[in-house]
Amino acid sequence: AQSVAQPEDQVNVAEGNPLTVKCTYSVSGNPYLFWYVQYPNRGLQFLLKYITGDNLVKGSYGFEAEFNKSQTSFHLKKPSALVSDSALYFCAVRDGTGFQKLVFGTGTRLLVSP
Amino acid sequence: GAVVSQHPSWVICKSGTSVKIECRSLDFQATTMFWYRQFPKQSLMLMATSNEGSKATYEQGVEKDKFLINHASLTLSTLTVTSAHPEDSSFYICSASASKGPITQYFGPGTRLTVL
Repeated sequence: AQSVAQPEDQVNVAEGNPLTVKCTYSVSGNPYLFWYVQYPNRGLQFLLKYITGDNLVKGSYGFEAEFNKSQTSFHLKKPSALVSDSALYFCAVRDGTGFQKLVFGTGTRLLVSP
Repeated sequence: GAVVSQHPSWVICKSGTSVKIECRSLDFQATTMFWYRQFPKQSLMLMATSNEGSKATYEQGVEKDKFLINHASLTLSTLTVTSAHPEDSSFYICSASASKGPITQYFGPGTRLTVL
């Protein structure tokens, strides 16, 4: 069965500093990996995905993520954090079969201080 | 592109009544729509997967007679919470996946249901 782990409940970073939100996964076969962001009382916004190809994926709002097959990780990164990046971030995975069911991690709250 | 809307954004109802939540894909056709439930400070829990023109597939532990899902067209799916009780109070989020092109799920803004 596929699963996702986000080991940090919360990440604190100062504005202007680089940020990393960690995600590891377990899936049979080739993984399809996603990052979503959720603002309070809102649905999820798609940030980026890895399907195949280049291990470094660039997404919305300056975010990027690096797929590491040997470490089964897909950490979300941004070179310079903004206060407006403060939100709840979810990593998700689905396997490469035809069924599109996504499995989400428990979420990591990112708090960027001014 | 890839916009998903939900209506209503919030609803308050009395115990025992039924509530219908609509999920629409505004600028793409979605053969598959998903319904999630999110409790405070928790992750999303998939309730069911809905394919246009066929019966929904419910996750284990989700009562299909209580949470009725209809996916009548390629742009509309509805979730009806029947005989709602206070424990059904939650944030319900739908997502839609395009019939062609990328497999990304695009999420609606969510519906906050409060059952008194």
